Amino acid sequence: SQQGEEDPQALSIQEGENATMNCSYKTSINNLQWYRQNSGRGLVHLILIRSNEREKHSGRLRVTLDTSKKSSSLLITASRAADTASYFCATVLRRGSNYKLTFGKGTLLTVNP
Amino acid sequence: SQTIHQWPATLVQPVGSPLSLECTVEGTSNPNLYWYRQAAGRGLQLLFYSVGIGQISSEVPQNLSASRPQDRQFILSSKKLLLSDSGFYLCAWDRGLLNTEAFFGQGTRLTVV
Repeated sequence: SQQGEEDPQALSIQEGENATMNCSYKTSINNLQWYRQNSGRGLVHLILIRSNEREKHSGRLRVTLDTSKKSSSLLITASRAADTASYFCATVLRRGSNYKLTFGKGTLLTVNP
Repeated sequence: SQTIHQWPATLVQPVGSPLSLECTVEGTSNPNLYWYRQAAGRGLQLLFYSVGIGQISSEVPQNLSASRPQDRQFILSSKKLLLSDSGFYLCAWDRGLLNTEAFFGQGTRLTVV
């Protein structure tokens, strides 16, 4: 079953605007990660936030994590047409001494020039 | 540096034919390996993951199987393909450690006709 659920499923904005995507999950996690996927390609890791962190920045990306609400958000500031892609959150679940990565359904972001 | 190779990039197969998709990782040892399937416009569904040679965990009952004959080789197979097996298949690896990212292959677009 899916652990993470992104919201909205699709988002269309103008270049220069900020884009916010949300992710909710069901069980306790060790960390939460965000990935980007260009159409028809593999996923690329963007940022990882640990369960004891509340906010993290990387360039134009800002990720927040609220473990009490089991939710995370990804903010892309000053969006560009090249940011058009699908964005997925992924959670790490512990299985014994090893860890499994489970993805949500993604948000399709379209940035219009 | 670590790299992941996944092939073929595209594949068109008739219903009832066998399938073999291969994924290899270079530059690391004892990785966790994953096979995901992505239906058109949908999220990633975890099919199989492996924490070591010969160790395969299946996430969903289906027409597919996976094998890990070598540490850095992960194979997805089917004896008889169904139309519903069509999709985008992604191989990925991570270090199986807490707070590390996953790396994805470029995917295989499988169309069963």
